[in-house]
Amino acid sequence: KNEVEQSPQNLTAQEGEFITINCSYSVGISALHWLQQHPGGGIVSLFMLSSGKKKHGRLIATINIQEKHSSLHITASHPRDSAVYICAVIPTGNQFYFGTGTSLTVIP
Amino acid sequence: NAGVMQNPRHLVRRRGQEARLRCSPMKGHSHVYWYRQLPEEGLKFMVYLQKENIIDESGMPKERFSAEFPKEGPSILRIQQVVRGDSAAYFCASSPRQGFRQETQYFGPGTRLLVL
Repeated sequence: KNEVEQSPQNLTAQEGEFITINCSYSVGISALHWLQQHPGGGIVSLFMLSSGKKKHGRLIATINIQEKHSSLHITASHPRDSAVYICAVIPTGNQFYFGTGTSLTVIP
Repeated sequence: NAGVMQNPRHLVRRRGQEARLRCSPMKGHSHVYWYRQLPEEGLKFMVYLQKENIIDESGMPKERFSAEFPKEGPSILRIQQVVRGDSAAYFCASSPRQGFRQETQYFGPGTRLLVL
């Protein structure tokens, strides 16, 4: 049983397209993070959300606590956005759960 | 301002040997987290440490694995008597206070462990 489900698992887009990655979770949470893992393996934290919406450049993250769902949007996608995007949720306590990631490839 | 440092970046061990993975958090950070990413699998939490204290080790295998974060020096993840199934990427992250619940964690580049 996975506490965090992401979709799609793999996504290929043309440069300039609007991209949406979804994350659904089954536990009550205090916060949710979106991470980006580059092809070389390095991990960067993109957003931490506990409610509403956040925007950073071309990236937008939203969360609906009642529906236990979050989305990550990328506007005007670019080949450098190609990476694995990982959703992580933080229930009460210190344990946290990761989705298996969405592998995004943006084609020029 | 150096980020989170991990060394070695790549480590090869034979079955039965010990692996020691080091993590130096960002300057001013006193909280360290270790994660494991098995091939073709997602990240898994292993352990959360503060200086000289293990706060949560619920993700650590019960045997052969241990972690410490001494008052001075880096955090160490130690794997004794490695087996092939330990081959994975091990990531460390740090935060100034309790991360993930309240703030961003900063990840190191990872150590890729290969057990022959």
